[in-house]
Amino acid sequence: EDQVTQSPEALRLQEGESSSLNCSYTVSGLRGLFWYRQDPGKGPEFLFTLYSAGEEKEKERLKATLTKKESFLHITAPKPEDSATYLCAVQAGGAQKLVFGQGTRLTINP
Amino acid sequence: GAVVSQHPSWVICKSGTSVKIECRSLDFQATTMFWYRQFPKQSLMLMATSNEGSKATYEQGVEKDKFLINHASLTLSTLTVTSAHPEDSSFYICSALSPYEQYFGPGTRLTVT
Repeated sequence: EDQVTQSPEALRLQEGESSSLNCSYTVSGLRGLFWYRQDPGKGPEFLFTLYSAGEEKEKERLKATLTKKESFLHITAPKPEDSATYLCAVQAGGAQKLVFGQGTRLTINP
Repeated sequence: GAVVSQHPSWVICKSGTSVKIECRSLDFQATTMFWYRQFPKQSLMLMATSNEGSKATYEQGVEKDKFLINHASLTLSTLTVTSAHPEDSSFYICSALSPYEQYFGPGTRLTVT
């Protein structure tokens, strides 16, 4: 069974304090790993797709990396507006559906 | 980027009534859409996969007669919660595939009284 585990569950940082969120996965035939940002009461917002180990993608203060077992979402010099829940999901095998992790609730204090 | 809308954004209904939620892809065509529900402080739970012109595929444990899904066009999928009960109260979110990424709607908050 495909599984996705995110850690930590919650993370509080000071503004400007860089850190990383982890997404570990166990799947049969990874087709893609996806990162989303979700604000309270809203739908997830697409951030990145990673397809193969070694791949990296960046967007503003965020950088996502992928290995054969996990993905990291690095956040550099975060700002309060980066506060949100970050969701990781995988697409595996022949399926189009996504399997989501439980998310990391990130809070950036000014 | 791809935009997905949902209507209504929130709805309150009485127990025993039915509620329809619409999901539209605004600037692209989506042969495949997905319906999720999300409880407070939990992650998304996939309910069903909706393919245009064919029957939806429901996840294990999801009652297909209670959650009716129709994907009649390449830009519209609907979820009807039939004979709603308070335990159906939740945040319902749809997504559309374009072409390999899923783009999500803003969600619909359903409260059944």
